[in-house]
Amino acid sequence: GAGVSQSPSNKVTEKGKDVELRCDPISGHTALYWYRQSLGQGLEFLIYFQGNSAPDKSGLPSDRFSAERTGGSVSTLTIQRTQQEDSAVYLCASSLRGTGQLYSPLHFGNGTRLTVT
Amino acid sequence: GESVGLHLPTLSVQEGDNSIINCAYSNSASDYFIWYKQESGKGPQFIIDIRSNMDKRQGQRVTVLLNKTVKHLSLQIAATQPGDSAVYFCAESRGPLGGFKTIFGAGTRLFVKA
Repeated sequence: GAGVSQSPSNKVTEKGKDVELRCDPISGHTALYWYRQSLGQGLEFLIYFQGNSAPDKSGLPSDRFSAERTGGSVSTLTIQRTQQEDSAVYLCASSLRGTGQLYSPLHFGNGTRLTVT
Repeated sequence: GESVGLHLPTLSVQEGDNSIINCAYSNSASDYFIWYKQESGKGPQFIIDIRSNMDKRQGQRVTVLLNKTVKHLSLQIAATQPGDSAVYFCAESRGPLGGFKTIFGAGTRLFVKA
């Protein structure tokens, strides 16, 4: 079946430009995450959407970062006025887990590799 | 950003030997602890999870151990194979107090020598 899809797979942009990264989660998954992974590093939590609840934005590193999830499905991560330190792989994941339920594994896309020159 | 800690960044083992990957965590309120495997160029894949009220869980060739007293999690891989070479992340699900979000550790790279 279809997994989590992210686009583009690679993005090169100039410093100061805005970028939009897209995530198509698995149909029916209520939870959607964005993580950032710098080269050789772990996954840094950015933002978490759970059903109709207000998103948990506690991991966004600055106000240049924002994300939305339309209709409980597709999500877009926007980075404004990109900086070189924004260069990383941005990973999206979705899961079935709702509040109070058993753990449901996260299903990841293959990420968008962002390079800011 | 938020993350769970790890003891070792790299681990090299001989094919056929058992591997043990360790992880320390700090949040006592997490209700699940999980291991993910990430191969080059791909997103992480779920391996196994353990609920916080358990201390051991076994899967196919893998065992996860949870020691809540010292806040330590480990992944044991039996008869390690070349296909096990990857980066392994521990993670924790923060439960109702943490909004059920999943936080990842820094990762351990496992090299399997033929």
